Order: sequence, then C-alpha cells, then structure tokens
Amino acid sequence: EPEVTQTPSHQVTQMGQEVILRCVPISNHLYFYWYRQILGQKVEFLVSFYNNEISEKSEIFDDQFSVERPDGSNFTLKIRSTKLEDSAMYFCASSPRDRGGETQYFGPGTRLLVL
Amino acid sequence: GDSVTQMEGPVTLSEEAFLTINCTYTATGYPSLFWYVQYPGEGLQLLLKATKADDKGSNKGFEATYRKETTSFHLEKGSVQVSDSAVYFCALSDRNGGSYIPTFGRGTSLIVHP
Repeated sequence: EPEVTQTPSHQVTQMGQEVILRCVPISNHLYFYWYRQILGQKVEFLVSFYNNEISEKSEIFDDQFSVERPDGSNFTLKIRSTKLEDSAMYFCASSPRDRGGETQYFGPGTRLLVL
Repeated sequence: GDSVTQMEGPVTLSEEAFLTINCTYTATGYPSLFWYVQYPGEGLQLLLKATKADDKGSNKGFEATYRKETTSFHLEKGSVQVSDSAVYFCALSDRNGGSYIPTFGRGTSLIVHP
C-alpha cells in the first residue's frame, strides 16, 4: 500500500539555523499538508498546498516558514531561523481528490529538536 | 470556530475489556468526523471516518457513529488487545475556503495490560 514518507526521522539543530524537512507524498495525491505536534499537545495545522501554491495557512505559519514542491515528488518545509519553540514533531500529509482533500494520509513524522 | 473535545487519558484497561473513548465536537458547518491512531514512535494513521449523520465508521474492530443530535463521535471496541495501546485522536474536517482543514482533539492515551 502506498505511504507518505518523511526524512529525516530525527533532526537536532542549533537555534537560528535553517532546517529543511522533506516529504514524499503518495504519488497520485493532489493536496499536501504540514502539521506539527509539540510534545504532549494536540496536532496543529500549519499549511496546505494545492496546484503548486499555498491554499491555506495557520497563524503559526509565519514568515519563518516556507513550503516548496521542487519536483514532481518531494514536498518540503523550510524553517529559516529556528527557535527553541519550533521543537516538535512535524507531520506531512497528502490527500487524493476526494471532496477536495478531505481524507488525509500522514507520514511518520520528523522529530525536530532545537537547542 | 470548530473544536473537538476528547476525554482525558490515560485510559487503562485489561485485555478483552470494552473500550469507549468519548469525543464531542463543535462545528459551524456539516463536518466529516475521523478517528486517528498514533502508535508509539509512529505517525498518525486514519482509523475510521464518517461523513454524515448516523453514519458508522468501522475498522479493526473499532467503530464510531456520527451523532448529530448529540454532536458526538465516540470510539468503541468490544474487546481490546495489548496491541491497541496507542494515542487516539478524534478530528473533524470542514471545508475552509478551498480545502479541508482538520481540527484535532488533544488525544487520548490507551494502555492495555495483559
């Protein structure tokens, strides 16, 4: 069964450094998402991406964040200058064209630790 | 805005016990409802969903019924196993502009003892 994959599984970085989190969505899916989950808290929506542009973003997704789909398979989340509070699990998700991306399939996540 | 409220955990049960995890929601529209499961060290997996009132979603012995009158989507399983130990997230998904943006509950940890 096709899966969403994410790399790396864990990343440790120094505050102020840039990180890029990578995701390979399921190949025929059209909608792509990033979420984060701070330890012990709920899963929070960051951004959705459709037709090569951001379709929705939350208040969390400020100018420090950006997303890209540089080729036909990868979907990346960049954090330009990491802060301690960016430490979280980051999940990528993708969705087929059922009712506009209603059912989402999640990757295993990247655990980011900012020191 | 939309919100999801789940019962606080952890829920601790013995193997073969009956499970209920309560979930209620608030939504302005007519959302679809979901349960996701997160096993230790893994990502979220869709467990089941229901897209309209009175629908029952079911998978792997789990089931939940979309109750519009009580705005609830409680998760049940008749006989839990140790392998069901995980965190369970209730979520709703409603169209926000052009796409569906899910709202998650805080998650309920389930611990099943042999």
